Amino acid sequence: AQKITQTQPGMFVQEKEAVTLDCTYDTSDPSYGLFWYKQPSSGEMIFLIYQGSYDQQNATEGRYSLNFQKARKSANLVISASQLGDSAMYFCAMREGNSNSGYALNFGKGTSLLVTP
Amino acid sequence: GAGVSQSPRYKVAKRGQDVALRCDPISGHVSLFWYQQALGQGPEFLTYFQNEAQLDKSGLPSDRFFAERPEGSVSTLKIQRTQQEDSAVYLCASSPWERIEQYFGPGTRLTVT
Repeated sequence: AQKITQTQPGMFVQEKEAVTLDCTYDTSDPSYGLFWYKQPSSGEMIFLIYQGSYDQQNATEGRYSLNFQKARKSANLVISASQLGDSAMYFCAMREGNSNSGYALNFGKGTSLLVTP
Repeated sequence: GAGVSQSPRYKVAKRGQDVALRCDPISGHVSLFWYQQALGQGPEFLTYFQNEAQLDKSGLPSDRFFAERPEGSVSTLKIQRTQQEDSAVYLCASSPWERIEQYFGPGTRLTVT
């Protein structure tokens, strides 16, 4: 079963506007972590933000914030004041606490974001 | 500072050939991961090393795939008798033990013809 679901294959946003990228997850482990990575066309995966399952507050990193709704098992990424350079693929990923794989990440299929002038 | 590097960046192999993909993690990083990313998909876990020990290889798709990290730094992913379905981008990531985020390399794009 898919552990990370990203239902938006593609999104458009106008420059300077905010955009929300959706992510839902499935786990029975009480200890887990949620990540967002950005993958530009050059291919490298760039870490954006992390939210732990026990964190009381939503994570923020500059223009990125994570809207963590534990009961709904959702971890949406909010990008404020979009810039043209934000155009990329965005991946949501989860690490489960009881994994014996040293915390390997389970990734969703990604959302392609295009920022227009 | 230097990030994770991978070589070659691009590799074209004829079906049946063996290939070796190299990953140089960030110096001092204990954890090293290999992922396979098919076109239009998210990365999928292949294997994990803690220093030189391969602690999990549950994601390796077949016994044609083999990974090693003999001295706990550089790692090599070897694919024997390549098949067309092996065409993908192979990503390497490393992480220091005390941090949770993984730092990814640029990947090796493997095309099997």
